[in-house]
Amino acid sequence: DTGVSQNPRHKITKRGQNVTFRCDPISEHNRLYWYRQTLGQGPEFLTYFQNEAQLEKSRLLSDRFSAERPKGSFSTLEIQRTEQGDSAMYLCASSSGLAGGSSYNEQFFGPGTRLTVL
Amino acid sequence: AQSVSQHNHHVILSEAASLELGCNYSYGGTVNLFWYVQYPGQHLQLLLKYFSGDPLVKGIKGFEAEFIKSKFSFNLRKPSVQWSDTAEYFCAVMPYNNNDMRFGAGTRLTVKP
Repeated sequence: DTGVSQNPRHKITKRGQNVTFRCDPISEHNRLYWYRQTLGQGPEFLTYFQNEAQLEKSRLLSDRFSAERPKGSFSTLEIQRTEQGDSAMYLCASSSGLAGGSSYNEQFFGPGTRLTVL
Repeated sequence: AQSVSQHNHHVILSEAASLELGCNYSYGGTVNLFWYVQYPGQHLQLLLKYFSGDPLVKGIKGFEAEFIKSKFSFNLRKPSVQWSDTAEYFCAVMPYNNNDMRFGAGTRLTVKP
């Protein structure tokens, strides 16, 4: 399968623990996005990478959240000291595009990682 | 910052009925517009997109959308729905000069056979 993959698919953790999610984009895509989706809402943009550079971050991305894309391929999203309000589906998407400016190409979404914080 | 409003949370139709899902956005600049669909148990996938040119955009599976700039709207239409169109539909807006895509809350469509 050459689509976007995310691991794990489900994560249950206790409040205060750290969690890390991984996203593997479509191999030729240089852009990678993280979103968060809660029940009854659409996805909310968190952050965006062009290759290994993190170019945009939402104000939703608190200091407890950090994302990396060290080699411009896979990305990780870490949440430190999780809170119950972090419970959500975390979506990753990738696209190809020209450097700079908006992507004219489709964002392909992965299946998401569902986080439950107890 | 831009925002997206989808007028209907849940729409129930019988097969062969016509569909129109409303989407309005607030943003003063040039935008790219999208409709995504999420079928039960599946990933989000793109239905159609508008970047420039003809404001009437055709997408997959017989869907189309019309961009009306003066109304800040990008409504999704299909002349005759099928049971297999049962899904959640999301409108999304991306400003021309950045990658911060904003989604609406989604509209759940149920098509009765």
